Amino acid sequence: GAVVSQHPSWVICKSGTSVKIECRSLDFQATTMFWYRQFPKQSLMLMATSNEGSKATYEQGVEKDKFLINHASLTLSTLTVTSAHPEDSSFYICSARLALTSIPADTQYFGPGTRLTVL
Amino acid sequence: QKEVEQNSGPLSVPEGAIASLNCTYSDRGSQSFFWYRQYSGKSPELIMSIYSNGDKEDGRFTAQLNKASQYVSLLIRDSQPSDSATYLCAVMFSGGYNKLIFGAGTRLAVHP
Repeated sequence: GAVVSQHPSWVICKSGTSVKIECRSLDFQATTMFWYRQFPKQSLMLMATSNEGSKATYEQGVEKDKFLINHASLTLSTLTVTSAHPEDSSFYICSARLALTSIPADTQYFGPGTRLTVL
Repeated sequence: QKEVEQNSGPLSVPEGAIASLNCTYSDRGSQSFFWYRQYSGKSPELIMSIYSNGDKEDGRFTAQLNKASQYVSLLIRDSQPSDSATYLCAVMFSGGYNKLIFGAGTRLAVHP
């Protein structure tokens, strides 16, 4: 149980284009999903917290107009990188927090990640 | 500033030995602590969570928590080459709206 999927697993795009990444919780409902970014040899940096049915909360320094997050249902959150540039090339990982109370609700399960390369 | 500190390593241990990974955190009010394993090019995989002082064992893994010292550790017994990965310590800080703060990770290398 507690499986999180991401699509696509990798994407290469031209500078200036937009890229959408999907994050799905497959066998549980997630009231909260998180989006992280990881540059090579660095740790995960939280970009934003996404709550179903409400606006995402962005971390300091993350441009909300550039990284659009939509959490339309309890099983799907999307991250759109708008007008991508080479410096946006990174490994983007989502995680989902269980909505069930029978399991510690603060446990986060990670998707497999999406590697974005902007040329 | 909320911080989670780990030695970057690499920590090199022989196969069959005990690997000891350490983590300190800055927020005394933190209640939830996690260890994740990350293989190169992959996303983190949850190994263990710990919430109370003391030890928590799961197979070859033992997590240890000392809130007074703001210290959490992970012991891996009978280390295997397949355990070679980066181990991330994550802390849910008090008042953090369920946000996890990750350490930079410790790279573990288990050699045959």
